[in-house]
Amino acid sequence: DAKTTQPPSMDCAEGRAANLPCNHSTISGNEYVYWYRQIHSQGPQYIIHGLKNNETNEMASLIITEDRKSSTLILPHATLRDTAVYYCIVLYNQAGTALIFGKGTTLSVSS
Amino acid sequence: ETGVTQSPTHLIKTRGQQVTLRCSSQSGHNTVSWYQQALGQGPQFIFQYYREEENGRGNFPPRFSGLQFPNYSSELNVNALELDDSALYLCASSRLLPQGRETQYFGPGTRLLVL
Repeated sequence: DAKTTQPPSMDCAEGRAANLPCNHSTISGNEYVYWYRQIHSQGPQYIIHGLKNNETNEMASLIITEDRKSSTLILPHATLRDTAVYYCIVLYNQAGTALIFGKGTTLSVSS
Repeated sequence: ETGVTQSPTHLIKTRGQQVTLRCSSQSGHNTVSWYQQALGQGPQFIFQYYREEENGRGNFPPRFSGLQFPNYSSELNVNALELDDSALYLCASSRLLPQGRETQYFGPGTRLLVL
């Protein structure tokens, strides 16, 4: 079973920031937080990942709480093309381990 | 663009048949994982290969098998197809280094329909 909890759906206006929360209260010290998204019928797309510190790349920012029990993915200026299912995944990044996908959050961006 | 390709994009088979799906990983990616995604569900892990050996498997029966080749390509084989095998099949590749595994990148998937 997935070790994360996400809201099933969120709405966001185009041009505004989208803040997607994720709870992972049982995360262990060597597990990473990964975010992927999946646009309808396409393969999941990697967005960002982090261990303890906040991370930022060209797509998004990842804010991890100090106790690491929750995180927030931030899309700073959402566009219609950001409409997708967003998956938060906790992963021990070693051989043989797998991405365990939950139900994710369906983000709908509207104009 | 992830550099991971899959073929074919779509496939229709009948119950009881066998199917082979193919994946080409990024150069240098020594690990490939396969996932099954049924309609409306998240991807489910089937198995993972590292240096041509299976080194992790999800809750899938033995009629799901795989191969990994030295040229960064791999195959997923499914025997005795059942109606419930209808799904999107995804491969994801990554590099496994001594300090751990790098990020997994997915291909576009193969949509299999079993009639």
